[in-house]
Amino acid sequence: QQQVKQSPQSLIVQKGGISIINCAYENTAFDYFPWYQQFPGKGPALLIAIRPDVSEKKEGRFTISFNKSAKQFSLHIMDSQPGDSATYFCAASKGTSYGKLTFGQGTILTVHP
Amino acid sequence: SAVISQKPSRDICQRGTSLTIQCQVDSQVTMMFWYRQQPGQSLTLIATANQGSEATYESGFVIDKFPISRPNLTFSTLTVSNMSPEDSSIYLCSVAGEGGYTFGSGTRLTVV
Repeated sequence: QQQVKQSPQSLIVQKGGISIINCAYENTAFDYFPWYQQFPGKGPALLIAIRPDVSEKKEGRFTISFNKSAKQFSLHIMDSQPGDSATYFCAASKGTSYGKLTFGQGTILTVHP
Repeated sequence: SAVISQKPSRDICQRGTSLTIQCQVDSQVTMMFWYRQQPGQSLTLIATANQGSEATYESGFVIDKFPISRPNLTFSTLTVSNMSPEDSSIYLCSVAGEGGYTFGSGTRLTVV
């Protein structure tokens, strides 16, 4: 059972453009929603995370939008740069303390100069 | 956030042999997680390892194939036993802390 569905599988954006990646979840018990960035040969690195008590969180060029009623959340990368080219994973977990993460399928982002 | 050192970074192993992957954390953590990432795929949780108790395995993963040790709050090992080419993957350890989850750089395993 795929509990976190991520789209698109791949995304090509021009430098300076906005990259948008979407995720939908099924389990309403999830209460922690992080996004990870992974470069080839490296482990995933936490980019930004949100909890359901807020609808939006922004850190620099990265913004998470969260829609609790629709059970969806998205990552927006403003002013996308070639250095942002990587694989992005959304994830979700539940519980007051950190439990296991369930990952989306991943999105390969390519930013053309 | 915690810093994780994972060894080896990569290995090529013969079919039927076993490989033990080490995960060292620079701070004490309660929960450690082991993931598998097959080529071009997402991360799948293998098991959760808490110090002082048996690891909890996810559906499709068994202790005989992936035995885990957790001798203290900063260290864990994952063994991939009786390997076959289907075990060729990246294996990652992860810990949960105040800043969220941190991942090691992974062990890229190729079974020939």
